[in-house]
Amino acid sequence: DAMVIQNPRYQVTQFGKPVTLSCSQTLNHNVMYWYQQKSSQAPKLLFHYYDKDFNNEADTPDNFQSRRPNTSFCFLDIRSPGLGDAAMYLCATSRDSGPQETQYFGPGTRLLVL
Amino acid sequence: GDSVTQMEGPVTLSEEAFLTINCTYTATGYPSLFWYVQYPGEGLQLLLKATKADDKGSNKGFEATYRKETTSFHLEKGSVQVSDSAVYFCALWVSGTYKYIFGTGTRLKVLA
Repeated sequence: DAMVIQNPRYQVTQFGKPVTLSCSQTLNHNVMYWYQQKSSQAPKLLFHYYDKDFNNEADTPDNFQSRRPNTSFCFLDIRSPGLGDAAMYLCATSRDSGPQETQYFGPGTRLLVL
Repeated sequence: GDSVTQMEGPVTLSEEAFLTINCTYTATGYPSLFWYVQYPGEGLQLLLKATKADDKGSNKGFEATYRKETTSFHLEKGSVQVSDSAVYFCALWVSGTYKYIFGTGTRLKVLA
């Protein structure tokens, strides 16, 4: 029944070692989002895809990249993780963009950087 | 800029107690307002929403009324249960933008 799946749930990486987080969806939604959520802070949108169109937030560091090879999958690549990138990473989807569209969130991947 | 301010948690209540979680916002346009809930180990789920002033959103016994005059969207429930223990996020979406602005979340713990 899981609609938005994130793997792995916990990821440990080393300082500077590239890491990829995965998100998949069974909803056939057009829009996929990546959020970063640090402890006791609000989820912060990093970027989103509307279909194949990539939309980067102005304050998202260049260290963060994303790929969406098809409708179902979206990846978050962190090229050189720093200690400050340790956080929960949330993937979400919506059918379309706009306040009338509910976003469906995955359970998140908690990233630890050693 | 647009922002959401929630009361800090954790909020600890006994079962059947009345719940209020305060949320106020600042927005340049006309926002839609939302409450999302995150149960342990799960993703955020939409709990309720209101799209214009004086609208009341409700779901699972929770209610929130869009108060434009006080720029607030407080979450209430008359009688909480242990299963309501979760983190609650208030959020807004300003018309003409493409994203949520979330609050920092309020953790609720309900004791049997």
